[in-house]
Formats: sequence, C-alpha cells, structure tokens
Amino acid sequence: DVKVTQSSRYLVKRTGEKVFLECVQDMDHENMFWYRQDPGLGLRLIYFSYDVKMKEKGDIPEGYSVSREKKERFSLILESASTNQTSMYLCASKWSRVWTEAFFGQGTRLTVV
Amino acid sequence: KQEVTQIPAALSVPEGENLVLNCSFTDSAIYNLQWFRQDPGKGLTSLLLIQSSQREQTSGRLNASLDKSSGRSTLYIAASQPGDSATYLCAVLHGSSNTGKLIFGQGTTLQVKP
Repeated sequence: DVKVTQSSRYLVKRTGEKVFLECVQDMDHENMFWYRQDPGLGLRLIYFSYDVKMKEKGDIPEGYSVSREKKERFSLILESASTNQTSMYLCASKWSRVWTEAFFGQGTRLTVV
Repeated sequence: KQEVTQIPAALSVPEGENLVLNCSFTDSAIYNLQWFRQDPGKGLTSLLLIQSSQREQTSGRLNASLDKSSGRSTLYIAASQPGDSATYLCAVLHGSSNTGKLIFGQGTTLQVKP
C-alpha cells in the first residue's frame, strides 16, 4: 500500500515562529503537493514539486516556501507564522504519469496563536 | 483558469437510498478526474480514478462517470449506508503532462441517516 506520512497530526505554534511541516512518501513518486483546507474555501494548492529540487508555486504561495532535497520528502516551511495560516495542511503524492492516482497523508492541523 | 464545482454542498438521505453527487469543471482539457472521500478531521481517501478517455469506473457500490466534452462527472452511490457519511471531493488533473496539478471542488457533505 502507498503510504504518505505527515510528521504531525496537530501542531500549535506562536506568531512569528518558523514552522516546518514534513511529508514523506514511500512509493518513489515524482510529484508531491501541499494544500491547505479551510471551511468554505476547499483545498487550495500552495506549492507542488514535480521532481527532486523542482518546485512550482500553486495558487496561494505567499508566506510559504518548500524544500525537496530527496525524492521521498517534501517540506513546507512557514517562514514567520501568522494567525491567518491556521488551517488543515494536506500533503499528496503521485507518479508523474498522468494516468496515475494521487494519495494523501492524514493531514496536519496547525494552530498559530 | 480551471474551476471545479460540486453540487449540492450538502445532502441528507435515509439509509438504503441511491444517490448522485455532481461535479463540473470549466476546462475540458483534463488528464483524469479523481473522486475522494474525507472523514471529519482526516486526510483524503481515493475512491475512483477516471482517465480522460474513459466514460466510467466502478468500485463496489460506487460508480463514477465522466463526460469530458460537457465538463461533468457524477458519483453514484447505491444502497447508501450510515458509514457512507463523509465529505466527497472531486479533483481534476489539469496542466502539462509533467506538472499536472490537482484542482478540487469544494465537496459535498453527505449524511446517511439510519
């Protein structure tokens, strides 16, 4: 079974802190994605990576950066956390071939106080 | 810009009823469409994947159809059960072959009453 693992289920951080959200997949997938999910707004794409060290901005990249040094790991970084970044963060991965399905992690509920 | 819409936003049905969830997208240039289930506070579980060249896919009591030219997909759930209560999301894979992005609808929250 494909496994996509996010490092934390719940996180509480203070305003201004640098926050790292980690995602690891075990299926040698080329593509990895970070989304945030908010009530009434649905899932919005923050960043995605189509291969190691490759990244592209999604629809809402402001306030975030990403790192993909190894194929299995995709990190989302909040440089200086703010209260409006309180959200559910979801990581996904898939092979690059377009006929393959995407798999999601269990989500990280981040609260910034 | 690709936009995905799901109607209705919420649905409540009695157990045993057959039901249809709708998904529409504005740009027919998609590679595939995927249906997911999400339980409260959890991640997404993949239910069905339909390729752009396919018309439908079936898994157990679930059947998903795709009409790419009209920009529509439906998820049919037969003989609904209380355990089917969840939010159902559709997503289209859109973009280039190497950097396709999954674009989501806002979901339909289903409640199946015993």
